[in-house]
Amino acid sequence: RKEVEQDPGPFNVPEGATVAFNCTYSNSASQSFFWYRQDCRKEPKLLMSVYSSGNEDGRFTAQLNRASQYISLLIRDSKLSDSATYLCVVKGNNRLAFGKGNQVVVIP
Amino acid sequence: SAVISQKPSRDICQRGTSLTIQCQVDSQVTMMFWYRQQPGQSLTLIATANQGSEATYESGFVIDKFPISRPNLTFSTLTVSNLSPEDSSIYLCSVVTDEGYTFGSGTRLTVV
Repeated sequence: RKEVEQDPGPFNVPEGATVAFNCTYSNSASQSFFWYRQDCRKEPKLLMSVYSSGNEDGRFTAQLNRASQYISLLIRDSKLSDSATYLCVVKGNNRLAFGKGNQVVVIP
Repeated sequence: SAVISQKPSRDICQRGTSLTIQCQVDSQVTMMFWYRQQPGQSLTLIATANQGSEATYESGFVIDKFPISRPNLTFSTLTVSNLSPEDSSIYLCSVVTDEGYTFGSGTRLTVV
């Protein structure tokens, strides 16, 4: 089983709509969780950390479910500029494990 | 957060040759990481470069193929040796600071 699993999509989202996707992780001892955004041919950039209580940053909401070992990302009121690949990143044992990413395509 | 300058941004190399990738950080960092991202795949950690000691390699990666230098706290190089088409990939360096993990802009390598 892979350390971090994501459905690569693509997720085709009408502009203005809401999209949500999950990521599962296998290491129950994982300590920290992040969502990174990667644009085509660019490096990953931190979108937001994910806290146990859930957290929100503008149109983006992240949730963590330790019991079921998944994290989620929800994007409200999608913009064309949200088109990117969203990488789920899990930290455990002082190393990062990356998912393949959820590709989001926002359609006008 | 830290700013990383990674060079070259891309290269096309012949089989059997080597490519050295450089990363320069604008602040001193204890650890630097080297990743590979193959097409359609997730980032895979190659090794952790520690200043003053040998790099620590992940399973499946060896020093002879991926020699790493870390001469000081702001600089590291990764060499991909004896290139084959299977080495065609994006290579990224990364550092961790109080603000989290930051990545270099990546090196897109094509082996022909």
